[in-house]
Amino acid sequence: EDQVTQSPEALRLQEGESSSLNCSYTVSGLRGLFWYRQDPGKGPEFLFTLYSAGEEKEKERLKATLTKKESFLHITAPKPEDSATYLCAVQAYSGAGSYQLTFGKGTKLSVIP
Amino acid sequence: DSGVTQTPKHLITATGQRVTLRCSPRSGDLSVYWYQQSLDQGLQFLIQYYNGEERAKGNILERFSAQQFPDLHSELNLSSLELGDSALYFCASSAPDRDRANNEQFFGPGTRLTVL
Repeated sequence: EDQVTQSPEALRLQEGESSSLNCSYTVSGLRGLFWYRQDPGKGPEFLFTLYSAGEEKEKERLKATLTKKESFLHITAPKPEDSATYLCAVQAYSGAGSYQLTFGKGTKLSVIP
Repeated sequence: DSGVTQTPKHLITATGQRVTLRCSPRSGDLSVYWYQQSLDQGLQFLIQYYNGEERAKGNILERFSAQQFPDLHSELNLSSLELGDSALYFCASSAPDRDRANNEQFFGPGTRLTVL
């Protein structure tokens, strides 16, 4: 069974204080690892897809990296508007031409001005 | 705005009732996925449809069913509702899986269901 564990569950940062969120996973046949941002009461917003170990992607203050067992979302000099829950998901083949996402429970990030 | 639309935004109903949630995918997307998000469980995959056909099932209860119509919109039907069914229900869509670049699922704004 595919498993995704995110840590920490919650993180409070001062504005400008860089940090990293962790996503560790166990999956048979990883096809992709996805990062989403979710604001309260809204749908997850797609951020990144990573496909292979060593791959990195960046978007503004966010940088995602991937190893064979985990992914990190690095946040550089965060701003209050970066406050959200960050979700990690793994995609694996589930049969009959279907690729399913298994989500972690997320890291709730709060950036204090 | 992801391009995925869901109606209604909020739904309040009583135990034992039946409701229908509606989703319209992004233009050109053939796959529709339904998810349930509760405070303790996180995002749980329910079911996927691809071009009108059921493609995969996740943790979907027998009281729940879905379908995708020829115009590619989808409906999720929840019956014999229980208090524990109160949650956010999200629909997502993705493009035809021709290559790796089309793996992403784009989520709608969700329907908040409250069962009293």
